[in-house]
Amino acid sequence: QVHLVQSGAEVKKTGASVKVSCKASGYTFTSYYIHWVRQAPGQGLEWMGWINPNSGGTNYAQKFQGRVTMTRDTSINTAYMELTRLTSDDTAMYFCAKSFTRNDNFDYWGQGTLATVSS
Amino acid sequence: QAVLTQPPSVSGAPGQRVTISCTGSSSNIGAANDVHWYQQLPGTAPKLLIYRNTYRPSGVPDRFSGSKSGTSASLAITGLQAEDEAEYYCHSYDRSLSGSHVFGTGTKVTVL
Repeated sequence: QVHLVQSGAEVKKTGASVKVSCKASGYTFTSYYIHWVRQAPGQGLEWMGWINPNSGGTNYAQKFQGRVTMTRDTSINTAYMELTRLTSDDTAMYFCAKSFTRNDNFDYWGQGTLATVSS
Repeated sequence: QAVLTQPPSVSGAPGQRVTISCTGSSSNIGAANDVHWYQQLPGTAPKLLIYRNTYRPSGVPDRFSGSKSGTSASLAITGLQAEDEAEYYCHSYDRSLSGSHVFGTGTKVTVL
């Protein structure tokens, strides 16, 4: 059974960084892309980027380039997303999700991690 | 920022049929990229409902169906049930944005 389990809620100050983890189980971690999607309160879904767990290759949405870093640790089947220079606009639920190819559907999602940014 | 346009809300009585449109452009849906649909219940993660335009994952009722034509796609729910009240999002791939994924603006389905 596929599971993506994310780390717990975070509260950060403006200007700080947040790092969210996503632990995969129930499938071969290196065979599927991991994407990060965020959702501000009461808003829609926004794609942030993907990481290929096999190669470590990444592709970030233009909006987040320079501020986001996606990494993985294949020894523990875990992907990470770090977002720096946080502002209140970054307050959102952050989801990880997996796909078979880099441009395919997201068939399983993590439960989400709420990151709250305040001054 | 959503690139795909959906109606903000649709509603119907139990048992009725409702449809949700998803309008894109020549760089995403119109570029022969697949459209996928997700259902998001309040306080939960999105769940894959339709993939590659018309396919249903195992466990999704056949009341849900998808279609695609030109630069648009649609999700239909027939025999609407109270449990279908949720937010629905379409999703596609956009080659013009350095290979980005794009989502619809979201549609709230209300069961009257």
